[in-house]
Formats: sequence, structure tokens, C-alpha cells
Amino acid sequence: NAGVTQTPKFQVLKTGQSMTLQCAQDMNHEYMSWYRQDPGMGLRLIHYSVGAGITDQGEVPNGYNVSRSTTEDFPLRLLSAAPSQTSVYFCASSTTGYEQYFGPGTRLTVT
Amino acid sequence: GENVEQHPSTLSVQEGDSAVIKCTYSDSASNYFPWYKQELGKRPQLIIDIRSNVGEKKDQRIAVTLNKTAKHFSLHITETQPEDSAVYFCAPDWNYGQNFVFGPGTRLSVLP
Repeated sequence: NAGVTQTPKFQVLKTGQSMTLQCAQDMNHEYMSWYRQDPGMGLRLIHYSVGAGITDQGEVPNGYNVSRSTTEDFPLRLLSAAPSQTSVYFCASSTTGYEQYFGPGTRLTVT
Repeated sequence: GENVEQHPSTLSVQEGDSAVIKCTYSDSASNYFPWYKQELGKRPQLIIDIRSNVGEKKDQRIAVTLNKTAKHFSLHITETQPEDSAVYFCAPDWNYGQNFVFGPGTRLSVLP
């Protein structure tokens, strides 16, 4: 099993650009979520999904969109990048909502 | 929503000493109590967890204790080693994984 994979590993955007962070898992987990982690800070939930076709907002959803068309994939879209979205983004998945398995992260810089 | 705090925010111990990190939460309905470890530049990984019907769980040098009445649970690391240096997060959960609130983290440094 590859577990949870994320692409790209690094990304630099200019203010106003849009992009999609990819996340995939091969463990058949129902739950998937996106977090951002700012330097020296904890993890803050952006959006999450409890199954294909079902998504909901977390603590910091503004400026981000998600969709869940399959069990495996949960992409995160930045609509119009802003410097405040410079962060490390982690995708995570879990089954029965207990242990979360994290991807390796995407380091995003917005200039 | 759940309010989660961790104490201390930073902790330095000598190699071989013990370390204790405390997590307090506000929602009395919380029923799952995990601890995650994040090494520098790496992803968070679960190191130990406990359910609400258990007071203590041990796995080699690490243990978690739960006090549901007082709404706190603690991570105990004995015989600390340099590889224990990391940031530790608690993430009490009340809704079968849908709560997703992490504590602010505790940075543990184990000095040789």
C-alpha cells in the first residue's frame, strides 16, 4: 500500500493564481481531511469528507474548495491564492474515524 | 466547538529522564484520545491512543492516562532518547473522527 499520497511536494504561486493540491489514498478509508500547518503552529482543519459525495467545512475553509467524487481522491482547490495561504498542507484519511494517516505534505508559498 | 489545550508548550529533559505532557479538553462527550508525534519536516504519526472506557494504556516506553472527570489526558514517556525529540499533538475526539481538533502542540527536546 502506498498509503496517503500528495502532489506536488512543493509549489510556488503568485497572488491571484489558482491551483489544485492532489490527495489520494489506497486504504479504502471513508474519512478524508485537509489541514494546514503554519510555522510553529498546530494543525487546522480546512475541509473534510465522510464519504464519496459528502464534504463539510472545517475551522478555516475560506479560500478553499473540495470535492469527493471517489473514495480514493480528495483534491483541494485554491481559488485565488493569497500570501496568507502560505503554509504546509497535509491530507489525512481514516477508517471508522479513529487513527488518521497523514500524507507527506505539500509546502506552498504564495508571493 | 472543542477547546483543546496542551501543557507545557515546550519541554526540555535530559536523556534518560521522563517527560509528561498534559492535554485538557472542553467537550465531555469526547470518547477517543490520541497522541501524534511530528518530527521536524515530517508528517504527524499516531503513537498511542486510548478509548473512553480505559483509564491507562502502555506501549513500551510510552503511556497515556485518562481522567474523564477532570477532562484531561496525559502522555508519559520514560527513559527518553534523542529520537523522542519532536512536537507532540493531542486530538480528543467526540464524533467518531468528525471532530478533528488538534491541540497546539508541545515541543519536546531531549538533551544528550
